[in-house]
Amino acid sequence: QVTLKESGPGILQPSQTLSLTCSFSGFSLSTSGMGVGWIRQPSGEGLEWLADIWWDDNKYYNPSLKSRLTISKDTSSNQVFLKITSVDTADTATYYCARRADYDWFAYWGQGTLVTVSA
Amino acid sequence: DIVMTQSQKFMSTSVGDRVSVTCKASQNVGTNVAWYQQKPGQSPKALIYSASYRYSGVPDRFTGSGSGTDFTLTISNVQSEDLAEYFCQQYNSYPLTFGAGTKLELK
Repeated sequence: QVTLKESGPGILQPSQTLSLTCSFSGFSLSTSGMGVGWIRQPSGEGLEWLADIWWDDNKYYNPSLKSRLTISKDTSSNQVFLKITSVDTADTATYYCARRADYDWFAYWGQGTLVTVSA
Repeated sequence: DIVMTQSQKFMSTSVGDRVSVTCKASQNVGTNVAWYQQKPGQSPKALIYSASYRYSGVPDRFTGSGSGTDFTLTISNVQSEDLAEYFCQQYNSYPLTFGAGTKLELK
């Protein structure tokens, strides 16, 4: 059974760095073809893909945010991390992690973690 | 970037109706399109992948069609639990992009 769960700080101030963790089970990121991505959704708005990381450590970023994003993984602990630097109020959103396989769709999603950026 | 356009933000329907949600890609994405259903307070759930394949456990009243740039999600015999928001997504190339969503509401 595949599960993913996001965790984050809940609230942080503008200009700080947002650190998110995706803890998963039911698959391994050392398995060929496996990948995990991050997607965010401001309240009442649509979905924005942020970044993907793959079993072979290939990483892909949304160009609109690339300079601020870093995705990484710890295969031994079944976790994927996302850092977003210099946050502002526009980064307030629910952040989801989701599993992909073989560069296809997001088959499994976490429950999401709400991040609020506020002074 | 490939823009996925869902031109209808809201669609009204009745239980038992058939409704079609459309999505247009700004360039050819083949059949590398997925559809997701999202209910309030929940994460998105995969419904359709590769444009027309139903994901595991999805009722057969959900049908996906299309290729290239034009895609459709059809819900036959709409049930009350289908009242949700629906998003299309292309995974043909990076950056991955989603449509803005179509919210299905009761008439």
